[in-house]
Amino acid sequence: AQKITQTQPGMFVQEKEAVTLDCTYDTSDPSYGLFWYKQPSSGEMIFLIYQGSYDQQNATEGRYSLNFQKARKSANLVISASQLGDSAMYFCAMRDLGNFNKFYFGSGTKLNVKP
Amino acid sequence: DTGVSQDPRHKITKRGQNVTFRCDPISEHNRLYWYRQTLGQGPEFLTYFQNEAQLEKSRLLSDRFSAERPKGSFSTLEIQRTEQGDSAMYLCASSLADPSAGTQYFGPGTRLTVL
Repeated sequence: AQKITQTQPGMFVQEKEAVTLDCTYDTSDPSYGLFWYKQPSSGEMIFLIYQGSYDQQNATEGRYSLNFQKARKSANLVISASQLGDSAMYFCAMRDLGNFNKFYFGSGTKLNVKP
Repeated sequence: DTGVSQDPRHKITKRGQNVTFRCDPISEHNRLYWYRQTLGQGPEFLTYFQNEAQLEKSRLLSDRFSAERPKGSFSTLEIQRTEQGDSAMYLCASSLADPSAGTQYFGPGTRLTVL
């Protein structure tokens, strides 16, 4: 069974607007971590934001915030005030107790920011 | 630059040849991971080391693949008798073993093309 699902292969957003990238996950472990990475065309995976399953508040890092809805098993990434440099692939990943030593990645969302 | 580095960045080889990739993790990180990423997909876990010990290998890691981390610092990934299906991006990541700080930081990747 797929652990991480990203249902948006591609998204467009106008520069300076906010955009939400969807991610749902599947685990029966009570303790897990959710991560978002950005992958520009150069190939490097850049860590953006982390949410722990026991965290009471949604994680925020600058223009990035994670909309964590535990009951729905979703961990959507919100990028505010989009910039042209935000154009990239975005991957959601999870690590759970049963698989602490590796991440499961979704298939990614290609974000294009239009000027 | 104290991030994860990988060498080479690109490798083109003929089918049947052997190739070796190197990864230098962040210096204080004792965990090192290898992932493979094909076009349009998220990274897939291959193997990981804690210090010099290889503790887990994916079924994706056939017997043509071998990874080492001899002194618990850099790691090498060797593919013997390459096949066209081995063409992919090979990503290395490192992290601390501390569960509360287990974010994986990725290198720029080695893009392998098998002709």
